[in-house]
Amino acid sequence: DIQMTQSPSSLSASVGDGVTITCRASQTIDNYLNWYQQKPGKAPKLLIYATSSLQSGVPSRFSGSGSGTDFTLTISNLQPEDFATYYCQQSFSTVTFGGGTKVEIK
Amino acid sequence: EVQLVESGGGLIQPGGSLRLSCAASGFTVSTYYMSWVRQSPGKGLDWVSFIYSGGSTYYADSVKGRFTISRDNSKNTLYLQMNSLRAEDTAVYYCARAPDCRTTSCYFPFDLWGHGTMVTVSS
Repeated sequence: DIQMTQSPSSLSASVGDGVTITCRASQTIDNYLNWYQQKPGKAPKLLIYATSSLQSGVPSRFSGSGSGTDFTLTISNLQPEDFATYYCQQSFSTVTFGGGTKVEIK
Repeated sequence: EVQLVESGGGLIQPGGSLRLSCAASGFTVSTYYMSWVRQSPGKGLDWVSFIYSGGSTYYADSVKGRFTISRDNSKNTLYLQMNSLRAEDTAVYYCARAPDCRTTSCYFPFDLWGHGTMVTVSS
């Protein structure tokens, strides 16, 4: 099975900051990588698919990049509604999720 | 409105069985790749099972042989039959939708999720 490792597991940031979350795959997954946002008590929400394609309706301050085994989610100009937990998901071989990164208010 | 609504969760003893349902509205379940994803309390997301638009089914190793995914096209509803339940199956179970990818690359982006239903396995 392909393991997905996210870092950091949590981070603190202020409104207006830029943040970067990293996701590393245990083997190459080409560009088969999606990102989700989850708020407490809610279902996950798709942000980015195929590494860098923005899901309809998602603000452009979210962006994704990477290929092979290393991927990043970048949030520029952090907004109050962005404080949440973020998960990566690979779909190169079945589906596995990363462990999550909690973005908290500093 | 396009939505997924899960039901059927509850408290069940180890070794017991439970069937979850996921009623879809606003789209046709049989034209999408439908999945169950679970989340143990305070933990991350864990993929459980897929049923493709063509009917093929796939399972995580942790549930293979115990869980069965199915759908009823006439009711536009997805199901998860869970047998031989264990304490480690305790989780919120979400149903989720991914676009059919028979003619494109299968990125399996889950673009629609239900609100989830809680399953607690405990004596």
